[in-house]
Amino acid sequence: GAGVSQSPSNKVTEKGKDVELRCDPISGHTALYWYRQSLGQGLEFLIYFQGNSAPDKSGLPSDRFSAERTGGSVSTLTIQRTQQEDSAVYLCASSPGDGYTEAFFGQGTRLTVV
Amino acid sequence: RKEVEQDPGPFNVPEGATVAFNCTYSNSASQSFFWYRQDCRKEPKLLMSVYSSGNEDGRFTAQLNRASQYISLLIRDSKLSDSATYLCVVNSGANNLFFGTGTRLTVIP
Repeated sequence: GAGVSQSPSNKVTEKGKDVELRCDPISGHTALYWYRQSLGQGLEFLIYFQGNSAPDKSGLPSDRFSAERTGGSVSTLTIQRTQQEDSAVYLCASSPGDGYTEAFFGQGTRLTVV
Repeated sequence: RKEVEQDPGPFNVPEGATVAFNCTYSNSASQSFFWYRQDCRKEPKLLMSVYSSGNEDGRFTAQLNRASQYISLLIRDSKLSDSATYLCVVNSGANNLFFGTGTRLTVIP
């Protein structure tokens, strides 16, 4: 597809379980972003990848959260030992990374921890 | 201090009204600026880029003030379909995009 693809679109998990969220960016986009959005709230920055540079992990809320980007393309956000406060929509975006072009978002993964 | 700050609103305006949102940014080296629109339970989508000279797209006008480090969005003749959250986005000198928390607009019949 031409756009950013995220999977799964919805995920319900039990408290304490680990989850993996996947993002397929637009082909050729070197920049990839993960954000979290709780119901009725703004976007919360989590992590940013740019090419082969070390990622900016400054937004990750705890060490239960990690992300990787393999081959400069697909990214996986992993949440270990999920808690109820992790329930949110997790949005991925990608951009060409040229400093001038906008980012394009995937439709998000709605995570519910029960 | 946050990279990008917006008034969260909500702004409740009648149909046909003109409404303006402002957004301030902290990094004077920021290179590019955008307004995004986010509908309820949807992902943000680009509304318009903001150019140094200001730009207009139909009822929407975006302006940039580098000296005061703010951008603005003006919506004229508001429609019910304009109801959404409007996000200010700034590309910092380090090529990272920073999103404001958004301003919620509700256009009332």
